[in-house]
Amino acid sequence: QVTLRESGPALVRPTQTLTLTCTFSGFSLSTGGMCVTWIRQPPGKALEWLALIDWDDAKYYSTSLQTRLTISKDTSKNQVVLTMTNMDPVDTATYYCARALYNSGTYPFDYWGQGALVTVSS
Amino acid sequence: QSALTQPASVSGSPGQSITISCTGTSSDVGGYKSVSWYQHHPGKAPKLMIYAVSNRPSGVSNRFSGSKSGNTASLSISGLQAEDEADYYCFSYASRNTWVFGGGTKVTVL
Repeated sequence: QVTLRESGPALVRPTQTLTLTCTFSGFSLSTGGMCVTWIRQPPGKALEWLALIDWDDAKYYSTSLQTRLTISKDTSKNQVVLTMTNMDPVDTATYYCARALYNSGTYPFDYWGQGALVTVSS
Repeated sequence: QSALTQPASVSGSPGQSITISCTGTSSDVGGYKSVSWYQHHPGKAPKLMIYAVSNRPSGVSNRFSGSKSGNTASLSISGLQAEDEADYYCFSYASRNTWVFGGGTKVTVL
């Protein structure tokens, strides 16, 4: 059974760095084809893809946010960490992590966490 | 990368069929066989409905189907049911190892 759970602060001050952890079970990120990705959704707005890390430790980032994002994995702990620097109120959103399964050039996100709401406010 | 273009809303009566479009460019939708679709009920985790343009994951109803023509992908729902009322998002590879979502479509069952 595959599960993912996001954890991190619910409130972040402007200019601070956000650190979110995705803890998963039911698969290993050292297995070929396995990836974990982060997506966010601001209140009332669309989903936005943020970053992806694969089994081989390759990392991919949203072009518009790449200077602020860092994704990393700890295979032994079954965790993926996303950091976002210089937080702003516009970064207020529900942040999701999901499993992505590499399949012939595509990365369908087949399992998702429930999401973690992060509010940026002073 | 710019978000893919979807209609803001689509509606239909129970039993009817609807189609949601997702328009991009030759650098994303049109250039790769990498479009997926997600159903999102507010407050819940999104659900994968279609991947690689037209493939349905195990457990997804065959009332859902996907296709692509040129730079536009489509998600069709036949035999519309009340439980299909949700937001739907397309998602595509957008070159240079980046991906992009559509703006989302709210499906209303009348």
